[in-house]
Amino acid sequence: QLQLQESGPGLVTASETLSLTCNVSGDSVSSTDYYWGWIRQSPGKGLEWIGSIYGKMYYNPSLRSRVTISVDTYKNQFSLKLSSVTAADTAIYYCANSYSNGYWYFGHWGRGTLVTVSS
Amino acid sequence: SYAVTQPPSLSAAPGETARITCGGNNIRTRRVHWYLQRPGQAPVLLIYNVNNRPSGIPERFSGSISWSTATLTVSTVEAGDEAAYFCQVSDTTGDLPVVFGGGTQLTVL
Repeated sequence: QLQLQESGPGLVTASETLSLTCNVSGDSVSSTDYYWGWIRQSPGKGLEWIGSIYGKMYYNPSLRSRVTISVDTYKNQFSLKLSSVTAADTAIYYCANSYSNGYWYFGHWGRGTLVTVSS
Repeated sequence: SYAVTQPPSLSAAPGETARITCGGNNIRTRRVHWYLQRPGQAPVLLIYNVNNRPSGIPERFSGSISWSTATLTVSTVEAGDEAAYFCQVSDTTGDLPVVFGGGTQLTVL
């Protein structure tokens, strides 16, 4: 069964770059069946899609200039980098996959990892 | 970019039917999906493409749509249904393909 697990620092200094990795098990990150993506949730707030990758990258326009998503096929992982972070980037970050049918619904999610931006 | 709205809260007694709405302009022309999120847990896909259930999701959960509103119906509400419910719209016409509603907290009385 496909499983996703986020990892990375729980504390990031303001103006620095947030870096997270999502380990994929139960399928290959090279699979053409899925887009691999990141979604975040600020404390007590709703969900915000950050971006996804399927060959090319798809980004939330509000975060486009600061986001990079990449895939490491050897480690079966994909990663998120968010630069120039501020307190507003404090959130639970989830990795998730959506199907390549283009319908953009997220069938598998990691448990999420809390990232706090400190000043 | 496209936007959707959900009521922040809803309550229902056990055995009742709860209807959670997701409003958006011409939402019927878009793909609508629903997630359940319990406290401290990741969201779980409940319904995709308006009214399709992934395997393992009980038939008590169903979806429907009109021109301006998508609805998640929870039949025969149980205590374990108390959670936050999020709608998500797929909008491939613009530059933001994934839009989430703000979520509705369902309280089981």
